[in-house]
Amino acid sequence: EVQLVESGGDLVQPGGSLRLSCSASGFTFSSIWMAWVRQAPGEGLQWVANLNQDGKKKYYVDSVKGRFTISRDNAKKSLYLQMNSLRDEDTAIYYCVTDRGYDTFENWGQGTRVTVSS
Amino acid sequence: QSALTQPPSASGSPGQSVTISCTGTSSDVGNDNHVSWYQQYPGKAPKLIIYEVNERPSGVPDRFSGSKSGNTASLTVSGLQAEDEADYYCSSRRLFGGGTYLTVL
Repeated sequence: EVQLVESGGDLVQPGGSLRLSCSASGFTFSSIWMAWVRQAPGEGLQWVANLNQDGKKKYYVDSVKGRFTISRDNAKKSLYLQMNSLRDEDTAIYYCVTDRGYDTFENWGQGTRVTVSS
Repeated sequence: QSALTQPPSASGSPGQSVTISCTGTSSDVGNDNHVSWYQQYPGKAPKLIIYEVNERPSGVPDRFSGSKSGNTASLTVSGLQAEDEADYYCSSRRLFGGGTYLTVL
C-alpha cells in the first residue's frame, strides 16, 4: 500500500522559513516523479513544484520561484520542500503527491498545514 | 497561466447522470492527452479518479467517465449515489480547475 506522510507544517511569521518533509513507503520511491500541491483555506488546488527521479530536474509555479526549493533523498525515501521568505498567501495545506507522468497526481498524503501570519 | 474554468456547482438526483465541464485553452486541455480529474471530500485529501482523459485507476467505479472535445474536458457521473457528493477538480499541464461541488439531491 502506498503511503505518503507529510510533516513540518506550522505557524510562521511573514518572512520566515519552514521545511516540509514527506516520508514515502509502499512503492519504489526512486523511480517516480514527486510533487507538492497546495490548497489554501476554502480554495482549490495549486501545483507548487515537482522533480524527477534523480532530483536534477525541478519545476516551480511562478509565485514560489526563488523562495521554495524542492528536493529528495532516495536513500531515505523522502521528499522535501524548503520554504523561505514566506508570505500570507502561502498559507495552505501542502500535499505530497506521486506523479505518474505528465503531471498526473496519483497518490496523495494527508497534508500538512502551513499558516503564515503575524 | 490562469486556472482552468469549472462551474462552481452541479447537482442531480440519485440515479441520474451529471456532467461537469472543464474549459482551458489550446495550450493546455486542447492539446493535452493527460487531462485528469480528482475527487475530494471535505477535510480529506484529493483522490485521482480519471487520468489520460478517460482512464480510470483501479478501484474507481465505472460510473465515472471522462471525455474531451476541443478545449473542454468533461467528467460524467452516471447513476448518481449519495457518496458522490464531493468537490471535483480537473487538471491539465500543472493547472487545476477551480473545482465543482457536486450535490446529490
